[in-house]
Amino acid sequence: DVKVTQSSRYLVKRTGEKVFLECVQDMDHENMFWYRQDPGLGLRLIYFSYDVKMKEKGDIPEGYSVSREKKERFSLILESASTNQTSMYLCASSLFRGDEQFFGPGTRLTVL
Amino acid sequence: AQSVTQPDIHITVSEGASLELRCNYSYGATPYLFWYVQSPGQGLQLLLKYFSGDTLVQGIKGFEAEFKRSQSSFNLRKPSVHWSDAAEYFCAVGASNNNDMRFGAGTRLTVKP
Repeated sequence: DVKVTQSSRYLVKRTGEKVFLECVQDMDHENMFWYRQDPGLGLRLIYFSYDVKMKEKGDIPEGYSVSREKKERFSLILESASTNQTSMYLCASSLFRGDEQFFGPGTRLTVL
Repeated sequence: AQSVTQPDIHITVSEGASLELRCNYSYGATPYLFWYVQSPGQGLQLLLKYFSGDTLVQGIKGFEAEFKRSQSSFNLRKPSVHWSDAAEYFCAVGASNNNDMRFGAGTRLTVKP
């Protein structure tokens, strides 16, 4: 079974802090994704990566950056957390473009 | 770019009743279509997917979906709903030539005893 793990299920940070969300997949997938999920808005793509050190912006990249130094790991960075970044963050991976994505359990981030 | 609409935000059905969740997509070519389910506090789990071939697709947990190109729809069905089916359901559309999978806003299913 594909497994996608995220470093924290719940996280509470203060405004202005730098926040790292880690995601690891164990199936050698090329593609990895970061989404945020808010009620009524579904999933919105923040960034995705199609190879090591390669990344592309999604729909809402402002305030976020990413890092993919190894194929299995994809990190989401909030350089200076703000209250409007309070949300559920979901990481996913896929083998092929357009194919089924496998999701981690999510990190619920609260920024105070 | 592709897009997807789930017209129903919230649906309530009685346990044992049939279920149909609607999904409409927009894409110029043949899309890749998916239904995912999300239980509270969890990530998304794939129920079923359509790439090509038979337009009626069977999935896990007794779900099925039918691709209708003429209606740009991919509705999810289940003949008899169980209380454990209460969750949020997301329709998604992808394409073979990009990584831009689009998700609908979701439909929350409540099951009455």
